[in-house]
Amino acid sequence: AQSVTQLGSHVSVSEGALVLLRCNYSSSVPPYLFWYVQYPNQGLQLLLKYTSAATLVKGINGFEAEFKKSETSFHLTKPSAHMSDAAEYFCAVSVRNQGGKLIFGQGTELSVKP
Amino acid sequence: GAGVSQSPRYKVAKRGQDVALRCDPISGHVSLFWYQQALGQGPEFLTYFQNEAQLDKSGLPSDRFFAERPEGSVSTLKIQRTQQEDSAVYLCASSLEGRGTNYEQYFGPGTRLTVT
Repeated sequence: AQSVTQLGSHVSVSEGALVLLRCNYSSSVPPYLFWYVQYPNQGLQLLLKYTSAATLVKGINGFEAEFKKSETSFHLTKPSAHMSDAAEYFCAVSVRNQGGKLIFGQGTELSVKP
Repeated sequence: GAGVSQSPRYKVAKRGQDVALRCDPISGHVSLFWYQQALGQGPEFLTYFQNEAQLDKSGLPSDRFFAERPEGSVSTLKIQRTQQEDSAVYLCASSLEGRGTNYEQYFGPGTRLTVT
């Protein structure tokens, strides 16, 4: 069975500081991994995805994530936080043999202080 | 349309009422997914369609939940005899391909259901 664990339900950073949101996965097969962002009262927007090509994946809005098989991790980073980055972030794994349904982590709420 | 749309955006139902939630996927998208997102939680899978075929309904929490996509486009999630534990945001997503699991799922804004 596949699962995702996001460490830290709330992360607070200062504007301009490094953003690091942690995600660990469990999968019996090579996974496809995703990071989504959710703003209040909106649906989820894809930030980036890993589909077994390059292990360092660049996404929108300056975010990137690195797939580390040895650590079963897919942490999300951004060098310099912006106020507009404040949102809920979800890591997800795709279930390959079940049509690609997504298994999500519990989410991490990112706050950005001025 | 430009994206996935859902209606209504907000629904308040008295316990025991039936509700129907609609999802309009992106035109041409083969796959359609429903997820339930409880307050403060990540979305949880409910059911999946490939065109009009419902291929996976393993996430539906009870037989009060029913989903259909009769013409392979618009989908309706119906909840009969709503209970307070059904209160959640119901998200619909669509993706281009039927069998590819690395294709992006595009999410609608969700329907927030409150059962009183």
